[in-house]
Amino acid sequence: AQKITQTQPGMFVQEKEAVTLDCTYDTSDQSYGLFWYKQPSSGEMIFLIYQGSYDEQNATEGRYSLNFQKARKSANLVISASQLGDSAMYFCAMREAAGNKLTFGGGTRVLVKP
Amino acid sequence: GAVVSQHPSWVICKSGTSVKIECRSLDFQATTMFWYRQFPKQSLMLMATSNEGSKATYEQGVEKDKFLINHASLTLSTLTVTSAHPEDSSFYICSASPPLTGPLSYNSPLHFGNGTRLTVT
Repeated sequence: AQKITQTQPGMFVQEKEAVTLDCTYDTSDQSYGLFWYKQPSSGEMIFLIYQGSYDEQNATEGRYSLNFQKARKSANLVISASQLGDSAMYFCAMREAAGNKLTFGGGTRVLVKP
Repeated sequence: GAVVSQHPSWVICKSGTSVKIECRSLDFQATTMFWYRQFPKQSLMLMATSNEGSKATYEQGVEKDKFLINHASLTLSTLTVTSAHPEDSSFYICSASPPLTGPLSYNSPLHFGNGTRLTVT
């Protein structure tokens, strides 16, 4: 079974608007971390935001916020006030305490329209 | 902080030759590094976990004799693609995180090198 599922292969968003990228995960581990990365066309992986399984508050980092719903096993990324430079692939990932590996979802391509 | 450097950025080689890719942690020591492969329009797939001073742990389906990993120091891991074939053409990217003691390593994000685009002709 997929550990990380991103159901949106691609999305268009108007510049200055907000966009929500969906991510659901599957784990039996109680201790885990959830991460979002941005991958521009150049290929590098840019760490955006992190949410720990025991964190009660949703993580925020500048224009990025994570909508963490533990019972539903979802960790959606919200990008506010989209900019043209936000156009990229976005990957949700999970790191479980048991395995220590970082497992990625399939990714969502975001294109910001001017 | 937490900079990971990967070299080369791109390489073209002939079928049957071997290619070595280096991954360095520049400002921290990494007892563990991870090697990923990414085919076009796909996600990152973990190939192996590189452990300093011991054998790498390979994911299911990854040939250990074809993808040789050496983690000889706390700041350097290398991936050698042996006898490369066109189907090995891909984007290879390494990652590491500063070590945390105890069971909290899952809290630490992995920092990635810029990747190596391998083309085998």
